[in-house]
Amino acid sequence: DAGVIQSPRHEVTEMGQEVTLRCKPISGHDYLFWYRQTMMRGLELLIYFNNNVPIDDSGMPEDRFSAKMPNASFSTLKIQPSEPRDSAVYFCASRRTGTTEAFFGQGTRLTVV
Amino acid sequence: QKEVEQDPGPLSVPEGAIVSLNCTYSNSAFQYFMWYRQYSRKGPELLMYTYSSGNKEDGRFTAQVDKSSKYISLFIRDSQPSDSATYLCAMRDYGQNFVFGPGTRLSVLP
Repeated sequence: DAGVIQSPRHEVTEMGQEVTLRCKPISGHDYLFWYRQTMMRGLELLIYFNNNVPIDDSGMPEDRFSAKMPNASFSTLKIQPSEPRDSAVYFCASRRTGTTEAFFGQGTRLTVV
Repeated sequence: QKEVEQDPGPLSVPEGAIVSLNCTYSNSAFQYFMWYRQYSRKGPELLMYTYSSGNKEDGRFTAQVDKSSKYISLFIRDSQPSDSATYLCAMRDYGQNFVFGPGTRLSVLP
């Protein structure tokens, strides 16, 4: 298995632009998590899905952030409009029910200038 | 007070040293305790996992959980330069949300 796949690996965009981050979880995993990592705040959970349904989005910082999971093999995190304070590394992770380990992707390093 | 605090950081040790990494937490509902290792520009990967209190050993690594004190530790024996990474403690209750500590950056010098 190729593991959790995220794209792009790096994204540089101008303030005000729309940014879409993509994630392909491990096949058979029914939980998908989006995290944001910064030096100041560490790793923070933004939202997670179970069987493609958003369960807890209390970590989504503002209405500018939205996430979707149209099917079991694909999820997106969208920021519109983007702001410099959104600059961070965004991780996607997936997990299978009955197990503890969440497998992380390589992350997307987002820079908003 | 943050839900999970991690101490110390950053840490630099000579090769072969014993390393002790620690976390404290405030939520008594946490039942699952994990240590993740994160290399530079990579995603975190699970290193050790413990359910409830007790010790768990895996090679050079030992994880300890003391729920009465709300304190967990990771010990690394005979540390190697390849152990240089950021170590994140993580924990969760019976729900699905992992709460991570801020991480401790470890450098093992040859």
